[in-house]
Amino acid sequence: GQQLNQSPQSMFIQEGEDVSMNCTSSSIFNTWLWYKQDPGEGPVLLIALYKAGELTSNGRLTAQFGITRKDSFLNISASIPSDVGIYFCAGQLRNNDMRFGAGTRLTVKP
Amino acid sequence: NAGVMQNPRHLVRRRGQEARLRCSPMKGHSHVYWYRQLPEEGLKFMVYLQKENIIDESGMPKERFSAEFPKEGPSILRIQQVVRGDSAAYFCASSPSVRNSGNTIYFGEGSWLTVV
Repeated sequence: GQQLNQSPQSMFIQEGEDVSMNCTSSSIFNTWLWYKQDPGEGPVLLIALYKAGELTSNGRLTAQFGITRKDSFLNISASIPSDVGIYFCAGQLRNNDMRFGAGTRLTVKP
Repeated sequence: NAGVMQNPRHLVRRRGQEARLRCSPMKGHSHVYWYRQLPEEGLKFMVYLQKENIIDESGMPKERFSAEFPKEGPSILRIQQVVRGDSAAYFCASSPSVRNSGNTIYFGEGSWLTVV
């Protein structure tokens, strides 16, 4: 199936720093989604992007749908300890099928 | 996560037994997805179903695994003759049936299968 390459795999940052992660693919996606997963929980939707070039914010989070429709990035500004978790990108194909990146594990040091 | 109900949350099975995981999608959603997550790993696509139809099962092992989403009732992921390697978290997600427009999928809280 279509694969998403998510990077970095993990990040160790100091509280207050900004974070950037991205996903790329050789396939074109209709929708890009970003999720966060806490231990023992299911992924929770953070941001949904529906149009190429779209830039959307949700509080300290900003995500963009790449112009080529093959990539997306997520930025977190002024990180705080509760930002710790695993962040997943997801791309939706034309037939509603969804594919996920392998995740970025974020650790925030106070 | 609100609305997608998975049960059981935790299931322990002996090797060789069967595991049945159930997923009730959000109200009004007719698309269901199953994903598997091994410890410290990402979400691996297994199967995508609409009511009474399997749309894409390319991520599901050909043997021992099956999935259904009947007209009435929850979607079921069935694992026969479980082995230790089947131990994982299994997540169900659902989305509405609108095609070719921006859809989001919402996840349940997962079913943790442990094979002993």
